[in-house]
Amino acid sequence: DVKVTQSSRYLVKRTGEKVFLECVQDMDHENMFWYRQDPGLGLRLIYFSYDVKMKEKGDIPEGYSVSREKKERFSLILESASTNQTSMYLCASSFQGKANEKLFFGSGTQLSVL
Amino acid sequence: GENVEQHPSTLSVQEGDSAVIKCTYSDSASNYFPWYKQELGKRPQLIIDIRSNVGEKKDQRIAVTLNKTAKHFSLHITETQPEDSAVYFCAASRRDPYDKVIFGPGTSLSVIP
Repeated sequence: DVKVTQSSRYLVKRTGEKVFLECVQDMDHENMFWYRQDPGLGLRLIYFSYDVKMKEKGDIPEGYSVSREKKERFSLILESASTNQTSMYLCASSFQGKANEKLFFGSGTQLSVL
Repeated sequence: GENVEQHPSTLSVQEGDSAVIKCTYSDSASNYFPWYKQELGKRPQLIIDIRSNVGEKKDQRIAVTLNKTAKHFSLHITETQPEDSAVYFCAASRRDPYDKVIFGPGTSLSVIP
């Protein structure tokens, strides 16, 4: 079974702190994604990556950056956390081939910024 | 960019009844439409998907229909059971290897025993 692992289930940070959210997948997927989930807004794409060191902005990239130094790891960085970044963050991965679009999600990180 | 709308936002049905969730999309180039189910406290999981060369697809009690002309697609769940209670997300993408998957806002389905 595909495993997408997010390093923390819950995080509490202070406003202005630099925050790192880590995601690791074990199925050699090319594509990796970061979404945030808020009630009534669904899953909104922050950034995605289709190869090592490659990144593409999603719909809400402001205030975030990403890093993909290795194929299996995709990190989301909040340079200076703000209260409006309190949310559930979901990482996902998928194969790149056209017959393999299924997204495999991690269990999520609930981030609270105080 | 792609925009996916989803209705209703909440839905309650009696056990055994059918449930229908509808989505619309804006990008006529989208050609892949998956549905994800997220149970409380768990991660979203793919339950069914449809590609633009198909009008309908069934898998046991769930079915998805697609109307490309109207840019509509729908999820149908028949003979609902309490374990169907969850949030359901529709999504759309171009199936380009480098393209993103855009989700609708979700529908919270409650099946009342």
